[in-house]
Amino acid sequence: KQEVTQIPAALSVPEGENLVLNCSFTDSAIYNLQWFRQDPGKGLTSLLLIQSSQREQTSGRLNASLDKSSGRSTLYIAASQPGDSATYLCAVLETSGSRLTFGEGTQLTVNP
Amino acid sequence: NAGVTQTPKFRILKIGQSMTLQCTQDMNHNYMYWYRQDPGMGLKLIYYSVGAGITDKGEVPNGYNVSRSTTEDFPLRLELAAPSQTSVYFCASSYSRWGPYEQYFGPGTRLTVT
Repeated sequence: KQEVTQIPAALSVPEGENLVLNCSFTDSAIYNLQWFRQDPGKGLTSLLLIQSSQREQTSGRLNASLDKSSGRSTLYIAASQPGDSATYLCAVLETSGSRLTFGEGTQLTVNP
Repeated sequence: NAGVTQTPKFRILKIGQSMTLQCTQDMNHNYMYWYRQDPGMGLKLIYYSVGAGITDKGEVPNGYNVSRSTTEDFPLRLELAAPSQTSVYFCASSYSRWGPYEQYFGPGTRLTVT
């Protein structure tokens, strides 16, 4: 059974700092990996999707990497801003395509 | 486009009552999903559908039922509500589960069973 772990569970940083969020998964037979953002009381917003054949994806100040063989992904946020404060979730889609398994998330606070 | 919409936003049910959570998407997506999120936890898949008339169980289907009569709508039915079903329910849709197609989520329904 696929298990997804995110470390740390919570992170507080000053504005402007570069930071890394970590995601690990137990079964490397994945189809893709997605990073989501969730604001309090809101739904999820997809940030980046990495196919299993890719190593990284970039969008603005966000860069996500994938090392399938070691079961790891990182989300790098450059020059963090208070508006980046949210919970960040990673999820892996198994190769059958039938199940997207989520981690428990990292709650990020960026202080002005 | 409105994207994925869910109703109601909040609901309180008594134990044993039933209700239907509504989900509609206007993106002509074939795939639709229902998830639940318990406090401090990730999301767990309840049911999913790959097209009108086709549904399948996810990780935690017990106590729920779904139907998919149209491409746009994917209601989730709770029969005989139990306190363990207190959660936030999210509906999502995607063009396909294959390829670079992300899932789009609705704003959620917060359900309390007392």
